[in-house]
Amino acid sequence: QSVLTQPPSASGTPGQRVTISCSGSTSNIGSKTVNWYQQLPGAAPKLLISTNNQRPSGVPDRFSGSKSGTSASLAINGLQSEDEATYYCAAWDDSLSGPVFGGGTKVTVL
Amino acid sequence: QVQLQESGPGLVKPSQTLSLTCTVSGDSISSGSYYWSWIRQSAGKGLEWIGRVYTSGNTNYNPSLMSRVTISIDTSKNEFSLKLNSVTAADTAIYYCARDRLWFGVDYWGHGTLVTVSS
Repeated sequence: QSVLTQPPSASGTPGQRVTISCSGSTSNIGSKTVNWYQQLPGAAPKLLISTNNQRPSGVPDRFSGSKSGTSASLAINGLQSEDEATYYCAAWDDSLSGPVFGGGTKVTVL
Repeated sequence: QVQLQESGPGLVKPSQTLSLTCTVSGDSISSGSYYWSWIRQSAGKGLEWIGRVYTSGNTNYNPSLMSRVTISIDTSKNEFSLKLNSVTAADTAIYYCARDRLWFGVDYWGHGTLVTVSS
């Protein structure tokens, strides 16, 4: 039902690399930048990656983002227990004239 | 550090009006550098942008909610507000206020407030 498509879940053991995909269209990801948000249980979303691949101050460098065409990806290199959270992608949508979001990917650290 | 804090009733009766206020600290909403948005999160619809307001009072709304939504701004109090009328159970959600960089997306979120629509 969300405009952007994400897998509902992903998992890995500590130290592993985990990637999360986000698929959109030409009216959003294809023409605008992508943000990624981390939402810990019971908390508000927090900006993790801005404008495709920029980490705001304080975000560990094990998080990285990329975009190609109408898709984007978030990678977590060296997964840690504190990374257990739900991750959302978002992008401006020309049809909405506002942001659209993915359905979220819950990352579990095994 | 920019902080946003939502306030308002946590329970609203069906057909009544949901009213929330967002108080901003660490930034001046009258600076004109950003827009100020409301976003909600529900189990059924995920994250949904409701609308935004600019310093001038200009607003943009999600077409799916436009007929029921009003967002206003009070620069003297560094606050902006949301009113959603004729609510139903489908409007039950966590409501967030946020600082909006328009094409570059939201960077700061409030803590969120759960609003339940029930008699």
